[in-house]
Amino acid sequence: QKEVEQDPGPLSVPEGAIVSLNCTYSNSAFQYFMWYRQYSRKGPELLMYTYSSGNKEDGRFTAQVDKSSKYISLFIRDSQPSDSATYLCAMRVGGGFKTIFGAGTRLFVKA
Amino acid sequence: EPEVTQTPSHQVTQMGQEVILRCVPISNHLYFYWYRQILGQKVEFLVSFYNNEISEKSEIFDDQFSVERPDGSNFTLKIRSTKLEDSAMYFCASTGDSETQYFGPGTRLLVL
Repeated sequence: QKEVEQDPGPLSVPEGAIVSLNCTYSNSAFQYFMWYRQYSRKGPELLMYTYSSGNKEDGRFTAQVDKSSKYISLFIRDSQPSDSATYLCAMRVGGGFKTIFGAGTRLFVKA
Repeated sequence: EPEVTQTPSHQVTQMGQEVILRCVPISNHLYFYWYRQILGQKVEFLVSFYNNEISEKSEIFDDQFSVERPDGSNFTLKIRSTKLEDSAMYFCASTGDSETQYFGPGTRLLVL
């Protein structure tokens, strides 16, 4: 079983749609959960960071962590064409430095 | 807004040659990292560096790789004898609190 699993997509939605992106993981020691956005041939850009379980909201973005199910989600409301990118989930154990990334989900938002 | 910078943006080298990839982390950050991303694959952790020593490394980071902070601003990744499979995008990242990492734009390395 892979440590972090993420559906690579692609996911295509119309402008204004609510987008749901998800990852599952196997290592129960993960405590820090991140979502990055990566445009083609660019470095990952941190979108959301969550410690342990719960929800976090920032503008149009909401991150959810369910540690009991080992499942994390990113919701994007009122999606825009500029949201078209690859979204990477990432996670790390407490006290560690090594961040494990998912494969990334390619999102296309059509105008 | 402060950002991580990397040079060069592209590097082409012959198999067996040594390459040095350079990074300037955000100035008040204390933790530094290298990652790589082979084309079409996931971002992979290579190494983390704190207080002038390696704090954690992956199984990818073998004896062919080394890191150094030669002065107060630069952070380098050296690959001693490049292989074809070292062709990838290499990202430097830094953080001030070990919880959120800010990535540079990457160096695309092509080994021929």
